[in-house]
Amino acid sequence: AQKVTQAQTEISVVEKEDVTLDCVYETRDTTYYLFWYKQPPSGELVFLIRRNSFDEQNEISGRYSWNFQKSTSSFNFTITASQVVDSAVYFCALSAAYSGAGSYQLTFGKGTKLSVIP
Amino acid sequence: DTAVSQTPKYLVTQMGNDKSIKCEQNLGHDTMYWYKQDSKKFLKIMFSYNNKELIINETVPNRFSPKSPDKAHLNLHINSLELGDSAVYFCASSPLSRGMAYNEQFFGPGTRLTVL
Repeated sequence: AQKVTQAQTEISVVEKEDVTLDCVYETRDTTYYLFWYKQPPSGELVFLIRRNSFDEQNEISGRYSWNFQKSTSSFNFTITASQVVDSAVYFCALSAAYSGAGSYQLTFGKGTKLSVIP
Repeated sequence: DTAVSQTPKYLVTQMGNDKSIKCEQNLGHDTMYWYKQDSKKFLKIMFSYNNKELIINETVPNRFSPKSPDKAHLNLHINSLELGDSAVYFCASSPLSRGMAYNEQFFGPGTRLTVL
């Protein structure tokens, strides 16, 4: 069974502060993929990043960075110099094999609501 | 040029009614999904179709029935609506074929269903 845990339900930061969103996952598969999605107040789900289980290199994209550590089964997301527009619910998700049927199930964490205060 | 579209965006209905939500993707993807997001924002997969074939069917009441007339469409029909069905339903698609779990899923804008 797969599981994704986002222990932080809500986080509030003041604009320009850095913030890290935690994600811990469980899976028995040796090949799997991790994702982050953003859900702004408007409600749509926006894909941010994908990482596969064989690539532990950290990734930086502008103010966003991701730290994947297989040893601790974590895939944390850091926003540097946060902005009000970063206010959203952020979901970590895991994709691994589903019952060997050849399709892959995306399992989401419960999300972390980030509020950036001006 | 919307990638994944859903209609309607909002659906308000009475308990006991039957309703459908439509989903269409113009990305040429092989796989489509339905997710339910409850009031606590928890997202859970309901169904997955690959090339019109049902692949994933999570523990969902029989009142929910997906229908895929072709690869680009996956509709969700709900019979005898109950109060607990109130949620946001998201359709998604991915260029997924066997052996390729890495493809991200592209989500529709969601349909907010309110059962009174």
